[in-house]
Amino acid sequence: DQQVKQNSPSLSVQEGRISILNCDYTNSMFDYFLWYKKYPAEGPTFLISISSIKDKNEDGRFTVFLNKSAKHLSLHIVPSQPGDSAVYFCAASAFEGAQKLVFGQGTRLTINP
Amino acid sequence: DGGITQSPKYLFRKEGQNVTLSCEQNLNHDAMYWYRQDPGQGLRLIYYSQIVNDFQKGDIAEGYSVSREKKESFPLTVTSAQKNPTAFYLCASSILLGSEKLFFGSGTQLSVL
Repeated sequence: DQQVKQNSPSLSVQEGRISILNCDYTNSMFDYFLWYKKYPAEGPTFLISISSIKDKNEDGRFTVFLNKSAKHLSLHIVPSQPGDSAVYFCAASAFEGAQKLVFGQGTRLTINP
Repeated sequence: DGGITQSPKYLFRKEGQNVTLSCEQNLNHDAMYWYRQDPGQGLRLIYYSQIVNDFQKGDIAEGYSVSREKKESFPLTVTSAQKNPTAFYLCASSILLGSEKLFFGSGTQLSVL
């Protein structure tokens, strides 16, 4: 039972354009959502998060949108840069903290020059 | 530099052999975690520990064992009972068990000979 799904295994975007990565979840008890970024042969690094009481959180070029009614969140990167090429994981938790963090399968983003 | 160190980077296991993956952190974090990543799948939690001498099973603990004798160290043993051990293993820590912002090590790729 995949509670957090990233349906696009890969995404290719031209440098300077907007990258939009999507994530869907099924558990309505999830109240905190995060995006992690992972380069090859490295561990993921925290990128941005959003609480269920908000519908948008922005940090520089990165914005996360949360649509609770649709159980959908998205990560927008504007403008996309070559260094953004990585695998992006969305994750969700329900009250209980990191030990109950559920990760999606990841989306590999490639930024083309 | 504060961080999480995993070793070795690559590890090979023979049939019937137990192997131990090392994880050390100098972030003074209380909570530590072990995740497994398989191609095309999200990270899955193997074990986690909130404090020294205490640890709990995650979603896929069968065939694995851990210890937490020191705050800084959380080694993972992949036992011969784990029939499909080939995966990328990630160690992580967080300030508290309730914090979803995880800090990851760079991972260990385990393969079976």
